[in-house]
Amino acid sequence: DAKTTQPNSMESNEEEPVHLPCNHSTISGTDYIHWYRQLPSQGPEYVIHGLTSNVNNRMASLAIAEDRKSSTLILHRATLRDAAVYYCIPLNSGGYQKVTFGTGTKLQVIP
Amino acid sequence: DAGVTQSPTHLIKTRGQQVTLRCSPKSGHDTVSWYQQALGQGPQFIFQYYEEEERQRGNFPDRFSGHQFPNYSSELNVNALLLGDSALYLCASSPGLTWETQYFGPGTRLLVL
Repeated sequence: DAKTTQPNSMESNEEEPVHLPCNHSTISGTDYIHWYRQLPSQGPEYVIHGLTSNVNNRMASLAIAEDRKSSTLILHRATLRDAAVYYCIPLNSGGYQKVTFGTGTKLQVIP
Repeated sequence: DAGVTQSPTHLIKTRGQQVTLRCSPKSGHDTVSWYQQALGQGPQFIFQYYEEEERQRGNFPDRFSGHQFPNYSSELNVNALLLGDSALYLCASSPGLTWETQYFGPGTRLLVL
């Protein structure tokens, strides 16, 4: 299983962009990079995923390094509702695998 | 659409007892995965069910077992409870075995005394 390294915590001011990094140097060539977040007292929720190209959706953008050994989740304008623990998870697109969440990055958004 | 639902929301048991947690997947989803989340930690994968069979299992002892029913709902059973089993138990569902998007329920908080 690919190992990931994320900062334990980060802070951002409200309405400013946030860049959340993740190192996954042992990722395999067929692993997608998934990001989930967990708001306080809730189950995790899907944010975004990608393989090689940068990806955008209504929640965030995902920038993937050319060598795929790292990626960055970008929240373009942080809101108080974005305060959560963010997890980076390499996963194959198919099933039959053990999912490892790691400890994630706790994002604090300052009003 | 109710999303993923879990019951009960909270549960208190004593050491040595047995517990059953329940999960109903999101409409249209046939795959259910279970996770254990200790306080301050990320969720740890317990096992995944698809077509009523356990398809993948994490590093959990045989005290942890599960079942999936024909309507795709699932149960997690834990026997001989230990203090260390106190955690938030999360259920996630997805359509088929894809990991593209997992929908998580709110979890069941289990306290073992």
